[in-house]
Amino acid sequence: LAKTTQPISMDSYEGQEVNITCSHNNIATNDYITWYQQFPSQGPRFIIQGYKTKVTNEVASLFIPADRKSSTLSLPRVSLSDTAVYYCLVGDMDNQGGKLIFGQGTELSVKP
Amino acid sequence: NAGVTQTPKFRVLKTGQSMTLLCAQDMNHEYMYWYRQDPGMGLRLIHYSVGEGTTAKGEVPDGYNVSRLKKQNFLLGLESAAPSQTSVYFCASSPAGRGDRDNEQFFGPGTRLTVL
Repeated sequence: LAKTTQPISMDSYEGQEVNITCSHNNIATNDYITWYQQFPSQGPRFIIQGYKTKVTNEVASLFIPADRKSSTLSLPRVSLSDTAVYYCLVGDMDNQGGKLIFGQGTELSVKP
Repeated sequence: NAGVTQTPKFRVLKTGQSMTLLCAQDMNHEYMYWYRQDPGMGLRLIHYSVGEGTTAKGEVPDGYNVSRLKKQNFLLGLESAAPSQTSVYFCASSPAGRGDRDNEQFFGPGTRLTVL
């Protein structure tokens, strides 16, 4: 399973765009890149998943360079409610016998 | 559609006591998981199951046992609780083979367990 490295914490202000970068140098050919969000006292929630280039949904964008050794989660115009821990995961659950490994995540704090 | 539910929400045990945490899902998912989360840390996988009647060890399986006798239920047992097992326990489930959402897991609300 590919190891990921992401910042432990980040600070931002309301209305700013936030970019969280994750490094995954030993990503395998079949691996997807997936991001989760976790609010205090709740279970994590799936945000976005991609394989290459750019993926966008109603919540976030995911940028993946051609070599796929890193990825960037972009949150446009954050609000106080975006304060949470964000996890970057690399792998393919179906090819890993159903297994998925979470790291420590990035704690994002959005200030007014 | 309740999603993933966990019972109980809170529990306090004394060292050496046993208990079972129940996870139920009504989405007909093949995969189910038990994680633990300690303060300031990410989630660590305890055990998981890829189908009814099957279980597998995760990262931190020692001190825990699991069973999946029915597709919709996944039980986590602590035979002899220790203070080191004080944690928040999350259950999750996932369908298999969803393509662009292959790694999507659906989490329950968590069980906060304290072992004295």
